[in-house]
Order: sequence, then C-alpha cells, then structure tokens
Amino acid sequence: KAGVTQTPRYLIKTRGQQVTLSCSPISGHRSVSWYQQTPGQGLQFLFEYFSETQRNKGNFPGRFSGRQFSNSRSEMNVSTLELGDSALYLCASSLAGGSFTGELFFGEGSRLTVL
Amino acid sequence: GESVGLHLPTLSVQEGDNSIINCAYSNSASDYFIWYKQESGKGPQFIIDIRSNMDKRQGQRVTVLLNKTVKHLSLQIAATQPGDSAVYFCAENIPLGAGGTSYGKLTFGQGTILTVHP
Repeated sequence: KAGVTQTPRYLIKTRGQQVTLSCSPISGHRSVSWYQQTPGQGLQFLFEYFSETQRNKGNFPGRFSGRQFSNSRSEMNVSTLELGDSALYLCASSLAGGSFTGELFFGEGSRLTVL
Repeated sequence: GESVGLHLPTLSVQEGDNSIINCAYSNSASDYFIWYKQESGKGPQFIIDIRSNMDKRQGQRVTVLLNKTVKHLSLQIAATQPGDSAVYFCAENIPLGAGGTSYGKLTFGQGTILTVHP
C-alpha cells in the first residue's frame, strides 16, 4: 500500500510569490491534514479536509489556503510569501481525521525556502 | 518580532541501553495519544499509540505509559539501537466531534532528540 505522497519535495521561492503544494493520501483515506514544521514553532496544524470540505483550521493568516478534490488528493496554497513561511510542510492522511479509529500517517514533506 | 527557537530536550544513550522519553500533555480531555519518530529529512513516523482508558501498552521494543493524574506520557525503548536516533514527538488527540475525531488536529509536544552511540 503506497504511503502519503507529497510534491514537490523541495522548492525555493522569493518573497511575494505564491506556492502550491500537493498531497496524495493513502488509498481509502478521506481525511487530509496539513502541518507546518519550523525550528522555532515545532509542528503546527494548518487545516484539515474531509470529503472536499474544510472541517478544521488552525491559527494561520488567510494567505494559507487549501482544497481537496473528489479523489481525496489535496493542495495547499500560500500567497504573498514571507521569509517566515520557510518551513517543512507536512501532509497527513487518516480514515477519520485523527482519533483512536486510526492515526495520522505523514508524508515526507515539502521543504519550502523563501528568499 | 524575533522568534525564539525551541530548545529540544536531548537524551544521549549507549547502544543496548534502555531509553525513556517523557512528555507532558496539555488537555485533560485528550482521549488518544501517539508517539512519532522523525528522522532527519523525513516526515513523522508512527511508533505506538494508547487510548486514555489504558495505562500501558507494549509494542515491539517499545512501551508507552500514560499517567492521566499528572497528564504525563512516557515512551520506553528497550535495547536502544543506533537506528533509533531521531526526534521523538508525543501527540495528543483532543476530541472535537463524533467518534472522538479531532478533525485532523493533533497537538504535538516540542520533541526530544535521542542520540544513540555505538
């Protein structure tokens, strides 16, 4: 069974640009969550999608957005990039969005560097 | 303003020793806890989980202990190996909806760096 796949793995952008990251969940998983990981803040929850609907959102500005497609694949977008957006962006999939019915499975992440 | 980096606790052990990694969680309503291992350049990898109605759970070379009275979680690794070197995170699931789902939001601890010397 294939794991969570994230693309691209590495990317470099400049301030003011926008970026789109993609995530393909494990087959059969309908929940996709996104996290930002930085040395300063650790792992922070961005948002979660289930059946194409955003069910939960973390404390990030509106520049961070996402969506989910009917095949459960998800994308997240960051507009007007700032230096502080440099981070590892992790996607996690699960059956139900986290609970003892099934844990979150993480991808390898997309490493974003903003210059 | 200037951000302050997390100062992750570190644990250094010799190969073959037992390791104990501790974690304090934040919410008494948390019903499910997970330990993740993250190696350099990789995403977090599931190690073991435990429900809040349990005190102890054992896996292969790993044991998780839960003390709800003091909101404390620990991960014990037996016969630690160099391949166990990584950052270890505890995560708690705070139920928000039916079935205990947190709608994808696990709350992670800061992590502990484990270094195993051959």
